[in-house]
Amino acid sequence: AQSVSQHNHHVILSEAASLELGCNYSYGGTVNLFWYVQYPGQHLQLLLKYFSGDPLVKGIKGFEAEFIKSKFSFNLRKPSVQWSDTAEYFCAVSQWGGKLIFGQGTELSVKP
Amino acid sequence: DAGVIQSPRHEVTEMGQEVTLRCKPISGHDYLFWYRQTMMRGLELLIYFNNNVPIDDSGMPEDRFSAKMPNASFSTLKIQPSEPRDSAVYFCASSLSGVANEKLFFGSGTQLSVL
Repeated sequence: AQSVSQHNHHVILSEAASLELGCNYSYGGTVNLFWYVQYPGQHLQLLLKYFSGDPLVKGIKGFEAEFIKSKFSFNLRKPSVQWSDTAEYFCAVSQWGGKLIFGQGTELSVKP
Repeated sequence: DAGVIQSPRHEVTEMGQEVTLRCKPISGHDYLFWYRQTMMRGLELLIYFNNNVPIDDSGMPEDRFSAKMPNASFSTLKIQPSEPRDSAVYFCASSLSGVANEKLFFGSGTQLSVL
């Protein structure tokens, strides 16, 4: 069965530190990949997405993610985090029909 | 458009009671999804509809859970009887089409607490 794994459940960083959140999936066919973010008290928002083309995808708020097909990975990165990046981050993979499979989520806490 | 609207925002109920969660998708969206978010399992797809018809309900945990979409602008997720382990945040989402690269729009969620 298709699955998505996020290895870090909780990450704590200081402001200005670099961020990388891991995401691996277990689907061998063509995939579309997403990162969603949920800020405290808010609903899920799309951060960035990959469908095809350049495997390095840039999203909002300085985030980017790299699709590495050979590693079945789609890691999220940001060179310098801010306190306002404190949130929960979800990686997701989609297949035909719009069905999204989500990872368990990674809680990011940024200390000022 | 106001986006995907869910109600109530918070629901506190006692074990054994019936719970009904409501969702109004974005007008014109053909697909509607119900997700559940818990600390232990993260975000799980429960069921989704296309043009008001349930397409995949394999994520519905038990027969206590049921979902309906009587028309294009309204869906309900019902739990009867509710149990403490059903406590979670339930999200509704809609999309314009079922194409895999279509953007999903999420509602604000309903936080359910079953005592």
